[in-house]
Amino acid sequence: DQQVKQNSPSLSVQEGRISILNCDYTNSMFDYFLWYKKYPAEGPTFLISISSIKDKNEDGRFTVFLNKSAKHLSLHIVPSQPGDSAVYFCAARSIIQGAQKLVFGQGTRLTINP
Amino acid sequence: NAGVTQTPKFRVLKTGQSMTLLCAQDMNHEYMYWYRQDPGMGLRLIHYSVGEGTTAKGEVPDGYNVSRLKKQNFLLGLESAAPSQTSVYFCASTDGLAGGPAKNIQYFGAGTRLSVL
Repeated sequence: DQQVKQNSPSLSVQEGRISILNCDYTNSMFDYFLWYKKYPAEGPTFLISISSIKDKNEDGRFTVFLNKSAKHLSLHIVPSQPGDSAVYFCAARSIIQGAQKLVFGQGTRLTINP
Repeated sequence: NAGVTQTPKFRVLKTGQSMTLLCAQDMNHEYMYWYRQDPGMGLRLIHYSVGEGTTAKGEVPDGYNVSRLKKQNFLLGLESAAPSQTSVYFCASTDGLAGGPAKNIQYFGAGTRLSVL
């Protein structure tokens, strides 16, 4: 069973507009949620995170919202830029026997059109 | 600053062959991880290590073995490769300190693309 789901495989947005990427999870024990960005032929790189006790975290053009009751989080990018075109992975963290573990969603490919 | 380096970048194997993927990190991180990425599946944890000389199973460990003889290196072995192991493999590391992700972000290598025919 997929504990973290990204139901949109792809998203296309016009440059300058807002991009909204969504993620759902099932396990209430996750303590942090993270977004990673991945370009082709590169490894994922950390983008932004949010604690499970917060409902919003902002870093420049990137904002992550968490709705615990709905077990849903979203990443907002505004304004969207061509360099934002990449695959975005949502990840949820748990600590098991002292070890940090991440569970990843399937990823959403974001394309920003000029 | 190299960060996390994976070798090789590409490899083609025949069914039944064996190989070892090497991950090296120069950040003095305690925790290291091996993931595989398949289309539509995201990244899935194969094995991980919480320190030199330790290893533990992740979500999809079958068919793989790992070793962490030195703190900076984490090796992933395939003893008898199968077509189902065709994937992109990523290694990651983190310092593993307690606290929020700002202190223990996982840093990833560029990946190894493996094809098993």
